[in-house]
Amino acid sequence: EPEVTQTPSHQVTQMGQEVILRCVPISNHLYFYWYRQILGQKVEFLVSFYNNEISEKSEIFDDQFSVERPDGSNFTLKIRSTKLEDSAMYFCASSELQSMNTEAFFGQGTRLTVV
Amino acid sequence: DQQVKQNSPSLSVQEGRISILNCDYTNSMFDYFLWYKKYPAEGPTFLISISSIKDKNEDGRFTVFLNKSAKHLSLHIVPSQPGDSAVYFCAASARGGSEKLVFGKGTKLTVNP
Repeated sequence: EPEVTQTPSHQVTQMGQEVILRCVPISNHLYFYWYRQILGQKVEFLVSFYNNEISEKSEIFDDQFSVERPDGSNFTLKIRSTKLEDSAMYFCASSELQSMNTEAFFGQGTRLTVV
Repeated sequence: DQQVKQNSPSLSVQEGRISILNCDYTNSMFDYFLWYKKYPAEGPTFLISISSIKDKNEDGRFTVFLNKSAKHLSLHIVPSQPGDSAVYFCAASARGGSEKLVFGKGTKLTVNP
């Protein structure tokens, strides 16, 4: 069964450093998303991406964040200068379409720890 | 701003019985609702969904009911199995699909053998 894969599974970084979280969406999917879950809190939407551009972003997704699809398979989330409060599980997701009744499939997540 | 609320943080049921997980929402623009299951150290796994034009959707042991007037949906699992033990998230979208899902806090279901 096709799945969304994320690397690394766990990333520890020092405050102020840049991190890149990587995702390989399901191959025939066209829409890509990043969500995050801070420990003990809800899963929160960060950004959606389609046709090589951001289609929607939340207020969390500030100038420190960026996304890219550098090639035909990878989808990355970059945090330019990490803060302690960026520590969370980051989930990548993809969906085939964005129309009615189309579910998003999630990866297993990357646990980001900022120290 | 809790647009999607799961008021029960946990639920415990006996194997073979029915599990009922509840979810309430406040945004009347939501038109697509999904349930995800999540095991520790894994990502959310899609379980079942329902669009706002329906009031029931069934898939095997899983049935989702939607009451639009009450802004309430529920997930029924019958019969419950120990392997169903996980955290269940209710999610909603105002876009008809999966963009910008708004999640509830989750309900931890424990099915006892």
